[in-house]
Amino acid sequence: DTEVTQTPKHLVMGMTNKKSLKCEQHMGHRAMYWYKQKAKKPPELMFVYSYEKLSINESVPSRFSPECPNSSLLNLHLHALQPEDSALYLCASSQLQSSGNTIYFGEGSWLTVV
Amino acid sequence: DAKTTQPNSMESNEEEPVHLPCNHSTISGTDYIHWYRQLPSQGPEYVIHGLTSNVNNRMASLAIAEDRKSSTLILHRATLRDAAVYYCILRDRQGWGKLQFGAGTQVVVTP
Repeated sequence: DTEVTQTPKHLVMGMTNKKSLKCEQHMGHRAMYWYKQKAKKPPELMFVYSYEKLSINESVPSRFSPECPNSSLLNLHLHALQPEDSALYLCASSQLQSSGNTIYFGEGSWLTVV
Repeated sequence: DAKTTQPNSMESNEEEPVHLPCNHSTISGTDYIHWYRQLPSQGPEYVIHGLTSNVNNRMASLAIAEDRKSSTLILHRATLRDAAVYYCILRDRQGWGKLQFGAGTQVVVTP
């Protein structure tokens, strides 16, 4: 089973709302990732967690707050977002963070900020 | 991170081979060459990776130039399901080796 599950698949939120995106994997992977993808553009790395600790933050605005409550779960908390934050948010995982490891992606959560 | 250059798009007929080039003239000796693809409305999917030698798996083959400044992903018999954006990515095998996507090549397969 090489599945990364993301919920919800679609989310519409207002600029004053607080919402969360969730990601789950049961492959025993110890590295998990959030990417953001705008329409017709490649995915952009946002955060990397390794062994439940944040190891990379690509200078993402604080209105995006990641959380890794355990080795199987990764959340992305959203607060006070802007319409330009509307995008596909992709979660991914790999056995370890090092670059010889294959990264497995979920299907993404489509976020619309109104 | 070293940069890759790929054509914007390529077209192929179904059941024909597809050769996707990637230039990476500034590649370092410790960079892996990774290929991922993204089908419409899906997350990216691992295809293949290599370091120096050519590699084969059930999805594709990866041919790496002797000087490692370029590589070619080969899909042996294109199907309609292979229509996707293909990304060639360098990842440093020392350290964390971020997976950072470039623009990629849009592959169109016609019946």
